[in-house]
Amino acid sequence: GQNIDQPTEMTATEGAIVQINCTYQTSGFNGLFWYQQHAGEAPTFLSYNVLDGLEEKGRFSSFLSRSKGYSYLLLKELQMKDSASYLCAAMDSNYQLIWGAGTKLIIKP
Amino acid sequence: GAVVSQHPSWVICKSGTSVKIECRSLDFQATTMFWYRQFPKQSLMLMATSNEGSKATYEQGVEKDKFLINHASLTLSTLTVTSAHPEDSSFYICSARFGEVVDGYTFGSGTRLTVV
Repeated sequence: GQNIDQPTEMTATEGAIVQINCTYQTSGFNGLFWYQQHAGEAPTFLSYNVLDGLEEKGRFSSFLSRSKGYSYLLLKELQMKDSASYLCAAMDSNYQLIWGAGTKLIIKP
Repeated sequence: GAVVSQHPSWVICKSGTSVKIECRSLDFQATTMFWYRQFPKQSLMLMATSNEGSKATYEQGVEKDKFLINHASLTLSTLTVTSAHPEDSSFYICSARFGEVVDGYTFGSGTRLTVV
């Protein structure tokens, strides 16, 4: 079956770096997305990876290893506003998104 | 950027009544709209995929007669929850892909439905 795994919750300190991991199993693969979702709001797009390697966008970077079925989202210079849930989603061969349950990131001063 | 406008943001309705949720793509044509529901602390669950001008495709376990989806134009898709019950209380979100896959999917702001 198709499955996405990511940690339920993580805690980090303001100004630090945090890495949120995601492993996936899908029928075919057409890329992996990361979204940020604040409580009570809709998700917002952060990144898309389809090739192996690291994509950097400002304080956020996303990495993909297709052979390992693994991705991570790296957040640097953490700010209090980064407290949110981070959703990992893999796109299967039918271009359907398979969503993880999300990782709740708590930032402490 | 591409924007999907979703209304209402929140609604409280009595058990047995129907509620309509609208999603409009403001600056692009959404051939396909995805409808999700999300329970607290859970992931997005795809309910159905609506294609302009044709019948929606529902995911297994989703009652198509209860969750009516209409996608009559390239900029408007609606979800009607019919004969709502308290267990239908949830966060409903629509989403559309607005360009190439690398552009991602844009989401509506969500509708918090509470059935009392």
